[in-house]
Amino acid sequence: QKEVEQNSGPLSVPEGAIASLNCTYSDRVSQSFFWYRQYSGKSPELIMSIYSNGDKEDGRFTAQLNKASQYVSLLIRDSQPSDSATYLCAGGYSSASKIIFGSGTRLSIRP
Amino acid sequence: NAGVMQNPRHLVRRRGQEARLRCSPMKGHSHVYWYRQLPEEGLKFMVYLQKENIIDESGMPKERFSAEFPKEGPSILRIQQVVRGDSAAYFCASSPGSSVSYGYTFGSGTRLTVV
Repeated sequence: QKEVEQNSGPLSVPEGAIASLNCTYSDRVSQSFFWYRQYSGKSPELIMSIYSNGDKEDGRFTAQLNKASQYVSLLIRDSQPSDSATYLCAGGYSSASKIIFGSGTRLSIRP
Repeated sequence: NAGVMQNPRHLVRRRGQEARLRCSPMKGHSHVYWYRQLPEEGLKFMVYLQKENIIDESGMPKERFSAEFPKEGPSILRIQQVVRGDSAAYFCASSPGSSVSYGYTFGSGTRLTVV
């Protein structure tokens, strides 16, 4: 099992709809969790972090963490064309000070 | 308030040459992480350094790759005798402490092309 796993997509969502991105992780990843956004040819940008079970909201973004199911998700409400990017899920390694990334999900918002 | 600075942005090397990638962390950050990203793939951890110390190099290839973070100056990722498979984007990140809860701030990356 990969340490952090995501569907590669692409995920196509109509403008104005809710985009739902999902991620699962292994036992080796058990600390803080992050969502990064990466535009093509650019560097990853941290958009959300979540540390405890439940939901965390920031503007149009909501991160959800379920430690029992080892599941992290990101919801983007009122999707905009500018949200079209690759979204990287990441988690802190339980036994070392480093963050492990999933392979990313490509999101496309269609007008 | 400058962010993480990486240079060069683009680097072209012929097979067999050496590549040197530089990273200056954000002000006040003394922890540096290097990641590699192959086309259409996620970020792969390479190495974690603090000033003058390599903390975790578990993601570094055993040969040709080395990293340092001297007391003065930027962190350097060095690739000797480059091969085509080394072509990738190399990102550096920094954080103010060792806790992963800080999250990482990434630089703009160096895109290495081996011809």
